[in-house]
Amino acid sequence: DIQMTQSPSTLSAAVGDRVSITCRSSQRVTDWLAWYQQKPGKAPKLLIFKASTLESGVPSRFGGSGFGTEFTLTITSLQPDDFATYYCQLYDPLFPRTFGPGTKVEI
Amino acid sequence: QVQLVESGGGLVKPGGSLRLSCAASGFTFSDYSMTWIRQAPGKGLEWISYINEKGDFSKYSDSVKGRVTVSRDNAHDSMFLQMRSLRAEDTAVYYCARDQGVEVVPTADSWGQGTLVTVSS
Repeated sequence: DIQMTQSPSTLSAAVGDRVSITCRSSQRVTDWLAWYQQKPGKAPKLLIFKASTLESGVPSRFGGSGFGTEFTLTITSLQPDDFATYYCQLYDPLFPRTFGPGTKVEI
Repeated sequence: QVQLVESGGGLVKPGGSLRLSCAASGFTFSDYSMTWIRQAPGKGLEWISYINEKGDFSKYSDSVKGRVTVSRDNAHDSMFLQMRSLRAEDTAVYYCARDQGVEVVPTADSWGQGTLVTVSS
């Protein structure tokens, strides 16, 4: 089975910081990689799909990059509303849809 | 406005069964594939099932395969998850989600608020 990992598991940052979260897959995949944001008690929200495409309505401070086995979510200037947990998800049709374990972004 | 509302969760004994429902509105339900994703208390997200637009193709995670059946009723804009032989580790919030409609390979772009399933004696 394909495994997805994320680093760091927790990230402490301040408003205005540039932060990056890395997602790695145990096998080489294409760019069918999404990023979701989840706040406590809420459903996840799609931020990025196809590794780097910004979902409609998502602020441009969010960006995605990567291909193969390593992907990155970057927030260029952290805002108070961005403190949340972020998950990557592989949705390559060749593999079961698999989420990473999550990265909590906290103050 | 896309709306997905899950129902059917609750407390069930180990070995029991439960049927979850997902009522969709605000979009043409029959044009979209759908998925179920769950989240155990305090844990991460786990994809468990997919069903295509027509309802004639489905996929399951290894953790639920053989114990869960996904189905849909396009005439009533609804999706279902029939769960059997439930275990304590099936305790989770269960989300239904709509896949993107225009992407060749879609991921979930809209989610319900979830329904809690608790498996306990």
